Amino acid sequence: EDQVTQSPEALRLQEGESSSLNCSYTVSGLRGLFWYRQDPGKGPEFLFTLYSAGEEKEKERLKATLTKKESFLHITAPKPEDSATYLCAVPAGDTGFQKLVFGTGTRLLVSP
Amino acid sequence: DSGVTQTPKHLITATGQRVTLRCSPRSGDLSVYWYQQSLDQGLQFLIQYYNGEERAKGNILERFSAQQFPDLHSELNLSSLELGDSALYFCASRSTGAGGYTFGSGTRLTVV
Repeated sequence: EDQVTQSPEALRLQEGESSSLNCSYTVSGLRGLFWYRQDPGKGPEFLFTLYSAGEEKEKERLKATLTKKESFLHITAPKPEDSATYLCAVPAGDTGFQKLVFGTGTRLLVSP
Repeated sequence: DSGVTQTPKHLITATGQRVTLRCSPRSGDLSVYWYQQSLDQGLQFLIQYYNGEERAKGNILERFSAQQFPDLHSELNLSSLELGDSALYFCASRSTGAGGYTFGSGTRLTVV
């Protein structure tokens, strides 16, 4: 069964303290790996899609990377406004796009 | 604004009642997905529609049903509501191909 596991569950950083979030996945035939940011009570906001091992994408202080078994979301010099829950997900189903299977997320808190 | 519109934003109702949640996908997106997010739980896939047809079902209760109309908007009907149905309900849409899934801002349902 397709599965996504994220670690750590929660992470507290000081402003400027870089770190990485992990997303490991088990899926039959990867058709992409998605990263989302979710603020409390809001809908997930799309960040990145990665399609093949070795691929990297960057946006401001965030960089996502992908290997054959896991993905990392690197946060460089975070600011308090980066505080949110970060979710990763993979498409699954017979056609590969019938649903997104989500991990439970990493709750990031960045203190000033 | 993600382009996916969900109404209402908030809904408070009593146990045993029936409610309808509405979702308008991004212009041109044929697929609509419904997700439930309970307190401290991850996003759970409920059901997918593509161009008016049901394509995939997840952990959707028999008391819940959905449909997608010719204008591509979708409705999620929840009946015989229980306290445990209190959650955020999200709709997402996706275009054909390997594109990303765009989420709406959700409907917060409170059953009292």
